[in-house]
Amino acid sequence: AQKITQTQPGMFVQEKEAVTLDCTYDTSDQSYGLFWYKQPSSGEMIFLIYQGSYDEQNATEGRYSLNFQKARKSANLVISASQLGDSAMYFCAMREGMDSSYKLIFGSGTRLLVRP
Amino acid sequence: KAGVTQTPRYLIKTRGQQVTLSCSPISGHRSVSWYQQTPGQGLQFLFEYFSETQRNKGNFPGRFSGRQFSNSRSEMNVSTLELGDSALYLCASSLGWEQYFGPGTRLTVT
Repeated sequence: AQKITQTQPGMFVQEKEAVTLDCTYDTSDQSYGLFWYKQPSSGEMIFLIYQGSYDEQNATEGRYSLNFQKARKSANLVISASQLGDSAMYFCAMREGMDSSYKLIFGSGTRLLVRP
Repeated sequence: KAGVTQTPRYLIKTRGQQVTLSCSPISGHRSVSWYQQTPGQGLQFLFEYFSETQRNKGNFPGRFSGRQFSNSRSEMNVSTLELGDSALYLCASSLGWEQYFGPGTRLTVT
């Protein structure tokens, strides 16, 4: 069954340091996509980064990079040079059947707190 | 390009009433999906509409329904509201691999 697991309910990081948020997934599909979203206290889900299952290179978007290890079924988010504004909930999500459905399965999220 | 918009942003309703939420996707996006977010259940998929047809449905009772118009705008309706329907309702607009969310509608049922 399709599933996303985020094992870190909460994390702290010092400002300007890097942090890794863990995400593992379970799927029997060959074609799938992995997403990371940031949700500040306002509630809006902000898209951060996307990795397709057939992409050979790890995705990067500015300070965000996705450490994609297909064999281990993990898609960890790395945030470099953390900023105070990075404090938020972070959700990993997966979409199966990339050609036929936009349904996302979400993990339970990780609350990140950046310390000054 | 304008983002996904949702109206209203906040709503307070009484148990037993019904409510309609609206979502306008990003221009050119033909798919709209709806999600419910609660502290207890997290983010759960409600349904997806593509070109005015419901393409996928989550595990929610029939009180939750939706529709999509020819301009891709979508509405979600919840009838006979229950206290447990209090949640943040998010819609997502999609095209290709892109999937962007709106700011959400926070519904409180009293």
